[in-house]
Amino acid sequence: EVQMVESGGGLVQPGGSLRLSCAASGFTFSSFTMDWVRQAPGKGLEWISFISVSSGTRYYADSVKGRFTISRDNAKNSLYLEMNNLRAEDTAVYYCAAEVDEPLSFDYWGQGTLVTVSS
Amino acid sequence: QSALTQPRSVSGSPGQSVTISCTGTSSDIGAYNYVSWYQQHSGKAPKLMIYGVTKRPSGVPDRFSGSKSDNTASLTISGLQADDEADYYCCSNAGTYVIFGGGTKLTVL
Repeated sequence: EVQMVESGGGLVQPGGSLRLSCAASGFTFSSFTMDWVRQAPGKGLEWISFISVSSGTRYYADSVKGRFTISRDNAKNSLYLEMNNLRAEDTAVYYCAAEVDEPLSFDYWGQGTLVTVSS
Repeated sequence: QSALTQPRSVSGSPGQSVTISCTGTSSDIGAYNYVSWYQQHSGKAPKLMIYGVTKRPSGVPDRFSGSKSDNTASLTISGLQADDEADYYCCSNAGTYVIFGGGTKLTVL
């Protein structure tokens, strides 16, 4: 059974940092590109970052560029998101997603982890 | 990186068909055949319904179909069922980034 479990969310003050993790199982994690997608409370989906299989290619949305860093450890079947200089507008549920069938086919999703940025 | 444009809401009665449009530009939808659609029930993670403009993942009923013309993609749901009531999001490649639509709330009357 495919499972992706995010962790690391919580309450953080503006300007603070958090590291999100996504543990994958039930599929060959090392074979697929991975992304982070977030959803602010009551709002729509927002793509924030992509990482290739080898970690050689990484893309970021303008809203997080320079503040967030995506990484992966294929040996541990894990995806990470290092978030620095957090702002109130970063408050959202953060999902990890796997592109399996082809680019932009986010076939597998985690259940999400809530990040709240507030003083 | 502006969101793709979707109607905020659509509705239909059980058994009817509805179509949700998703309008982008020649730099995203118009440039790539990597358009996907996601269904999201309240409080749940999104679920892939269509990818590659027209392809259905295993397990998705053939009542769901996708298409694209120029800079606009569409999701058609035929034979509406109560469980289809959810939010739907389109998604497109835009080169080095990805754009989602603002989302459409489907109400089954």
